[in-house]
Amino acid sequence: DIVMTQSPDSLAVSLGERATINCKSSRSVLFGSNYKNYLAWYQQKPGQPPKLLIYWASTRQSGVPDRFSGSGSRTDFTLTISSLQAEDVAVYYCQQYYTTPLTFGGGTKVEI
Amino acid sequence: EVQLVESGGGLVKPGGSLRLSCAASGFSFTNVWMTWVRQAPGKGLEWVGRIKSQVAGATTDYSVAVKGRFTISRDDSENTVHLQMNDLKSEDTGIYYCTTDYSGSLDNWGRGTQVSVSS
Repeated sequence: DIVMTQSPDSLAVSLGERATINCKSSRSVLFGSNYKNYLAWYQQKPGQPPKLLIYWASTRQSGVPDRFSGSGSRTDFTLTISSLQAEDVAVYYCQQYYTTPLTFGGGTKVEI
Repeated sequence: EVQLVESGGGLVKPGGSLRLSCAASGFSFTNVWMTWVRQAPGKGLEWVGRIKSQVAGATTDYSVAVKGRFTISRDDSENTVHLQMNDLKSEDTGIYYCTTDYSGSLDNWGRGTQVSVSS
């Protein structure tokens, strides 16, 4: 199985400041034939289901604000919130879909 | 608008069974892979399994934790996917989410249904 490791477990960021979440996979999730990274990011607010933010490591899902961005390749990935808003308080998960079983990181809690 | 509505959760004793359903609307269900994800109380997300579309053979994959006990099926005439759960254990307790599966990224989620396994 591909193990996904997120850091930090939690972080507190001031409103308007940048938040950076890291995700490392135990092996590469870059598919050679299409040069795509099979990596997604989700946001889960309390009492709600997760919401897809980013797929293919850097493609924003429709409707996701452009303050959210994803970067990285192969085994190292980053989710950046460029200017934290109050509504961004949530737990964020990375997930690889390079192979089954699909696996998630342990989550990063973002607070103000 | 895409809607996924799970049902069938509840309280069951260890060793018991439950059948969860997920009713889908707002998209072409026949062409979409469907995945179940669960979340234990206060914990992270865990992939349970998926079923591909009919055109992809409607094949299924499961996590090691549930393989042999859980079965995913789909009824394209009813736009519904099911999760049959047998021989339930306490560690199966959690919220079960139904999702659409776009090559593995999970782009739409239901609100989930609670499963509690306890004597």
